[in-house]
Amino acid sequence: GENVEQHPSTLSVQEGDSAVIKCTYSDSASNYFPWYKQELGKRPQLIIDIRSNVGEKKDQRIAVTLNKTAKHFSLHITETQPEDSAVYFCAAGSNTGNQFYFGTGTSLTVIP
Amino acid sequence: DTAVSQTPKYLVTQMGNDKSIKCEQNLGHDTMYWYKQDSKKFLKIMFSYNNKELIINETVPNRFSPKSPDKAHLNLHINSLELGDSAVYFCATSPETTRATDTQYFGPGTRLTVL
Repeated sequence: GENVEQHPSTLSVQEGDSAVIKCTYSDSASNYFPWYKQELGKRPQLIIDIRSNVGEKKDQRIAVTLNKTAKHFSLHITETQPEDSAVYFCAAGSNTGNQFYFGTGTSLTVIP
Repeated sequence: DTAVSQTPKYLVTQMGNDKSIKCEQNLGHDTMYWYKQDSKKFLKIMFSYNNKELIINETVPNRFSPKSPDKAHLNLHINSLELGDSAVYFCATSPETTRATDTQYFGPGTRLTVL
């Protein structure tokens, strides 16, 4: 089955700096890579996703990059703000599978 | 209108008791999931149902039994609760029937504490 690894497990940045979270996956059949944000005490919510036919996707201050050859994908948050503080999960899914495989999460703290 | 709802939000109970958590969705999605999130925040899938049919049944003790009375509901019954069952349980839904390539919408979670 798929194995998704996520690094780092914790990340602290100063407000205004950038944050990068990286994930690797093992199954070359995976072709869908969502990122979820979970604020303290709340539910995970999708913030951005990318499919394998695209190398990069941006949405305002967040972007995701995908390297299919190396089997890794990354979340980039620019100009971080205190409200970006949360746990971020990457995941991988495929047309042939019936579940996401989630990474272990990254706790991001943005220091004002 | 809440898209995915769960009841109760908090559940505190004694070891050995039996309890149920309910999930309802009004999105018309075909697939529903149960996840367990432990204190380290790992999101572990437990079950998934597609149109009332069990699709995924991960290595979960048989004290946990999901039931889907209709497409909009997926309940989780837990027998003989143990301390290690303490966690937040999330219900989620997805429009995709047989592929894991679409957004999953999570419920608010049920925090279960076993004393």
